[in-house]
Amino acid sequence: NAGVMQNPRHLVRRRGQEARLRCSPMKGHSHVYWYRQLPEEGLKFMVYLQKENIIDESGMPKERFSAEFPKEGPSILRIQQVVRGDSAAYFCASSPGRVADTEAFFGQGTRLTVV
Amino acid sequence: QQQVKQSPQSLIVQKGGIPIINCAYENTAFDYFPWYQQFPGKGPALLIAIRPDVSEKKEGRFTISFNKSAKQFSLHIMDSQPGDSATYFCAAKPYNAGGTSYGKLTFGQGTILTVHP
Repeated sequence: NAGVMQNPRHLVRRRGQEARLRCSPMKGHSHVYWYRQLPEEGLKFMVYLQKENIIDESGMPKERFSAEFPKEGPSILRIQQVVRGDSAAYFCASSPGRVADTEAFFGQGTRLTVV
Repeated sequence: QQQVKQSPQSLIVQKGGIPIINCAYENTAFDYFPWYQQFPGKGPALLIAIRPDVSEKKEGRFTISFNKSAKQFSLHIMDSQPGDSATYFCAAKPYNAGGTSYGKLTFGQGTILTVHP
């Protein structure tokens, strides 16, 4: 059973470009969470999605950031018109979501560098 | 109220020592407290977790102590090894009594642990 798969592992974008980060949850997991980790800081919650639904996007910046988890395919975190401050590691986690007190499993992250 | 405060920021011990990392929280809705271990270039991996109905939980060399009244919890690593050198994060999340998982975790700032041989 493969773990949470994120790609790309490293992404370099110039200021103003778009960044697309992909996350394939573990098999059987229908809940996906995105977190951002700035250098030497803890992870900050961004968004929680179930298939075709955004459950909680309270941690998402109001502009330029969006996320989706379609019925088929991976979850996508999209950052438009990237700025230097978007440089961070972005982690995706997934959980089964059906049973209380379940654990979320993290992918290895996508390290975004904006130049 | 949503914060989890973690200390120290960094910690250096000798092999065999017992590093202790502390966390404090404010939100009384938090009801599940995991610790994660993260190696450079990797994602966080669950180490051990505790619910407030117990004051201590031990798994191998890792022990969580929990003080509900003080809203504090800590991680102890017994007989630490150089391979334990990593960044450790405490976290917390509310437990949804409706029975559905809600995995939104609030993380502490992290502690960089170095264990010298």
